[in-house]
Amino acid sequence: AQSVSQHNHHVILSEAASLELGCNYSYGGTVNLFWYVQYPGQHLQLLLKYFSGDPLVKGIKGFEAEFIKSKFSFNLRKPSVQWSDTAEYFCAVTKNGAGSYQLTFGKGTKLSVIP
Amino acid sequence: ETGVTQSPTHLIKTRGQQVTLRCSSQSGHNTVSWYQQALGQGPQFIFQYYREEENGRGNFPPRFSGLQFPNYSSELNVNALELDDSALYLCASSLERQGGNEQFFGPGTRLTVL
Repeated sequence: AQSVSQHNHHVILSEAASLELGCNYSYGGTVNLFWYVQYPGQHLQLLLKYFSGDPLVKGIKGFEAEFIKSKFSFNLRKPSVQWSDTAEYFCAVTKNGAGSYQLTFGKGTKLSVIP
Repeated sequence: ETGVTQSPTHLIKTRGQQVTLRCSSQSGHNTVSWYQQALGQGPQFIFQYYREEENGRGNFPPRFSGLQFPNYSSELNVNALELDDSALYLCASSLERQGGNEQFFGPGTRLTVL
């Protein structure tokens, strides 16, 4: 079964600092990768996703992520965070092919941005 | 376009009782997935329904069951509630059941079991 590890439980940054949140997955086959965000009091929403092609994917609100197959990683980055980025971030994976319907999530990283 | 809606928002039950949670999928979506999110954890897959049939199940006991209706709305039923069932229950809908499709999440139902 696939699993997802997120390295940081809670990250605290000042505005304008750069962000990188780590995500590693374990699964030997082809995967689809996702980053979801949950702002305080709001639904989980998709930030970005990777299916195939260019391993550097760009999402909403200036976020990007890089898929490194050899490292089984899909780290999330943003060059300059804003106070409004305060939220919980979840990395998730689905397998390709049969049984690919299940999203497997990491435990999440809480990001606090200090004005 | 109406998003995914869930009811009720909050629910308090006692051990041994039964509960039914409801979800309306986003317009045009025929696939609904249910997840359990315990405090401090990421969501865990319970099961998925596609065109009224169960399309896969996570590591949850049979007392967790579900239904999908012809309009693609869905119910999650939990029998013989246990304290550990206290969690946020999330429903997500998608256009089709392929793993690459984005799942759109509802706001969740917060269940407390006393």
